[in-house]
Amino acid sequence: SAVISQKPSRDICQRGTSLTIQCQVDSQVTMMFWYRQQPGQSLTLIATANQGSEATYESGFVIDKFPISRPNLTFSTLTVSNMSPEDSSIYLCSVTAGGNEQFFGPGTRLTVL
Amino acid sequence: GNSVTQMEGPVTLSEEAFLTINCTYTATGYPSLFWYVQYPGEGLQLLLKATKADDKGSNKGFEATYRKETTSFHLEKGSVQVSDSAVYFCALSEGSNYKLTFGKGTLLTVNP
Repeated sequence: SAVISQKPSRDICQRGTSLTIQCQVDSQVTMMFWYRQQPGQSLTLIATANQGSEATYESGFVIDKFPISRPNLTFSTLTVSNMSPEDSSIYLCSVTAGGNEQFFGPGTRLTVL
Repeated sequence: GNSVTQMEGPVTLSEEAFLTINCTYTATGYPSLFWYVQYPGEGLQLLLKATKADDKGSNKGFEATYRKETTSFHLEKGSVQVSDSAVYFCALSEGSNYKLTFGKGTLLTVNP
């Protein structure tokens, strides 16, 4: 399995600002994903981060709100733009590493005031 | 589209009790099925998986069998421990995009 780290682990932000979350993997991986887990809820896929090209977004998520980069096979960033309290969630990145199971990072706990 | 339905929580058990968390799914093809566990304050960990009908996934005393005829993947453990207290998520993926569809999660609390 891959070892995944995320920065920051948590943050408290003011509404209207933006936060960029980093996801670093210790080995090259096939696919990277970003999920959101709202308080007390399940996980919802935001997008698939594609290496060297634009991310593929799920219904209800748009690039202007959640721009994603993936410059290489071990790193990706998710930006939460123009934040509102409704964006308070845990954001998790995950990867596949050859098989069909996904491995998750520890998550970034975001609180928007 | 795909969907996963798992039993509503919370579930509260005494140590050494038997655990079952029900999970059923809807998919257009032949999905892979997973159980993930989220301990308090932590991210998700893969607990077990099964990729085809009649496969049994097992790990840490937990088991789940892929039942195509009933579209189910129920999680069981014969004797739970306090350290098993966590949220358990059933999930599926289908096709080459590997996207996961999650159930709503079941909170398990095990008391000494």
